[in-house]
Amino acid sequence: SAVISQKPSRDICQRGTSLTIQCQVDSQVTMMFWYRQQPGQSLTLIATANQGSEATYESGFVIDKFPISRPNLTFSTLTVSNLSPEDSSIYLCSDLQGNTEAFFGQGTRLTVV
Amino acid sequence: GESVGLHLPTLSVQEGDNSIINCAYSNSASDYFIWYKQESGKGPQFIIDIRSNMDKRQGQRVTVLLNKTVKHLSLQIAATQPGDSAVYFCAERDSGGFKTIFGAGTRLFVKA
Repeated sequence: SAVISQKPSRDICQRGTSLTIQCQVDSQVTMMFWYRQQPGQSLTLIATANQGSEATYESGFVIDKFPISRPNLTFSTLTVSNLSPEDSSIYLCSDLQGNTEAFFGQGTRLTVV
Repeated sequence: GESVGLHLPTLSVQEGDNSIINCAYSNSASDYFIWYKQESGKGPQFIIDIRSNMDKRQGQRVTVLLNKTVKHLSLQIAATQPGDSAVYFCAERDSGGFKTIFGAGTRLFVKA
């Protein structure tokens, strides 16, 4: 399994600013994904990060709010833009190699004040 | 730090007892199912998986049961230990798909 590293692990941001979260995988992976986990909730898929093309967003998530980059097969970033307190969540990236389980980073805990 | 799963259903068991965590899924096209364990401050960790051509799969101290007729999945943990305390999520993926969709989750609390 690939090892997934996310940074920052946590941050406190002012409303109206943006936070970019980085996800690094230690081997090339076919698929990368970004999830949001609101306090006390399950994980909700934000988007699939596609290498070399625009990310594919799930219903309720838009590129202007959550721009994603995937410049190569080992790296992706998620930006949460124009932050509001409602964006306070844990954001997680995951990868998928083949038709097996997805592996997850440790998450980024974002608090918006 | 803040705990994951503050508002999730809670299952409380005595150390050494068996735990059963249940999950209902909604997509009849799902053919691959995974159980994840999430400890506070960490990402979900793979426990066990099962494909739709099976109804039972065993791992070390864990067993997953799949009932496709009623779209129900369960995770059984034998001889539950304090280290098993965490939030447990079931997840599904449909045939030919690659998106892992998570269920609601259950917080397991093990009493010593």
